[in-house]
Amino acid sequence: NAGVTQTPKFRILKIGQSMTLQCTQDMNHNYMYWYRQDPGMGLKLIYYSVGAGITDKGEVPNGYNVSRSTTEDFPLRLELAAPSQTSVYFCASSHTLWGGGGLKETQYFGPGTRLLVL
Amino acid sequence: KNEVEQSPQNLTAQEGEFITINCSYSVGISALHWLQQHPGGGIVSLFMLSSGKKKHGRLIATINIQEKHSSLHITASHPRDSAVYICAVEVDSNYQLIWGAGTKLIIKP
Repeated sequence: NAGVTQTPKFRILKIGQSMTLQCTQDMNHNYMYWYRQDPGMGLKLIYYSVGAGITDKGEVPNGYNVSRSTTEDFPLRLELAAPSQTSVYFCASSHTLWGGGGLKETQYFGPGTRLLVL
Repeated sequence: KNEVEQSPQNLTAQEGEFITINCSYSVGISALHWLQQHPGGGIVSLFMLSSGKKKHGRLIATINIQEKHSSLHITASHPRDSAVYICAVEVDSNYQLIWGAGTKLIIKP
């Protein structure tokens, strides 16, 4: 198992450019998450998904979009990059121990994508 | 006031010392996570707790649901334990995690 993979590892964008951060997991997890981590700060949830076709906003969704067409993939889209989006982006996944709103297993994290918007 | 508070923010200790990192929260939770972020940025999940105590090697995590408090202990600390340790809670009936700001631990040889 590769676990959670993210691409690219590092990217520099100009203001106004767009890009997609890729995230793939091969553990058949239902839940997937996108977080951002600003320097010296904790993780903040951008979007999450509880299964293919279902996404929802997290704490800081503005400026981002996601889709979940398959269980494995959860891409994060930046449409008009802004300097405030300079951050490290982490994708994670987990699966439920039982159905409904039951307790989840540990989240597994990707290695992160470092994004610099100039 | 943050819903998840960690203490201390920074901790420097000598190799071999017993380390305790604390996490207090103010919301109802279904589980609490402890994670480790290495200097290179990678994040590793250490524990998920809903009650009692868990142990992995030199790491021990405890939680007191009534007091809304959890502790992460490291026995016989080693320089390779140097990292940021993060506490995060799963809020009842919610799929999201609320994250603490992390505790930066440095273990000196």
